[in-house]
Amino acid sequence: RKEVEQDPGPFNVPEGATVAFNCTYSNSASQSFFWYRQDCRKEPKLLMSVYSSGNEDGRFTAQLNRASQYISLLIRDSKLSDSATYLCVVPTGDTGFQKLVFGTGTRLLVSP
Amino acid sequence: SQTIHQWPATLVQPVGSPLSLECTVEGTSNPNLYWYRQAAGRGLQLLFYSVGIGQISSEVPQNLSASRPQDRQFILSSKKLLLSDSGFYLCAWSYVFLLAGGSSYNEQFFGPGTRLTVL
Repeated sequence: RKEVEQDPGPFNVPEGATVAFNCTYSNSASQSFFWYRQDCRKEPKLLMSVYSSGNEDGRFTAQLNRASQYISLLIRDSKLSDSATYLCVVPTGDTGFQKLVFGTGTRLLVSP
Repeated sequence: SQTIHQWPATLVQPVGSPLSLECTVEGTSNPNLYWYRQAAGRGLQLLFYSVGIGQISSEVPQNLSASRPQDRQFILSSKKLLLSDSGFYLCAWSYVFLLAGGSSYNEQFFGPGTRLTVL
């Protein structure tokens, strides 16, 4: 299994739809996880951190399933501005210093 | 609040020429610093990281080097660029949150990036 694996998409959804992405990871010792958003030709920006079973921020919900080693990101009521690539990120290494392993991203296209 | 700067924003260089990209962080002290490269249509690849002045760890053997001459300054260099060095170079900084139970998490924040084209 790759360290971090994502479906590249693209996911094409209409405005107002609910869409979910999954991400699987191989390191069962990982304790915290992140979702980043990257717009075309821009830097990644932190969207959500997940360090327990899940996290919710407005229309965005991240859930963690440690037994199956996957993280999901749910976006409700999609907006045109949600169109971007969503990167799943998993730390590796010990507690003192951790490196982040980035997935290759899932592309979302929201249409009118 | 913390900010991270990178320059230049774009760069076109001939093969064999030298390279110097600079990254500076404001509003924090003793951050962990990182250089990543993102090739067209690919994921982020960690190139170097630094936990303090003069401390550099390299992730992959390559044509590049990094230095950290000051606490909040991180420089990426090359003596002779190759075509394969083209890409989007991103600097990032982080601090580590320690959670109850000894676990930690490590949010990283990226600069605006430098888009390098080697011709």
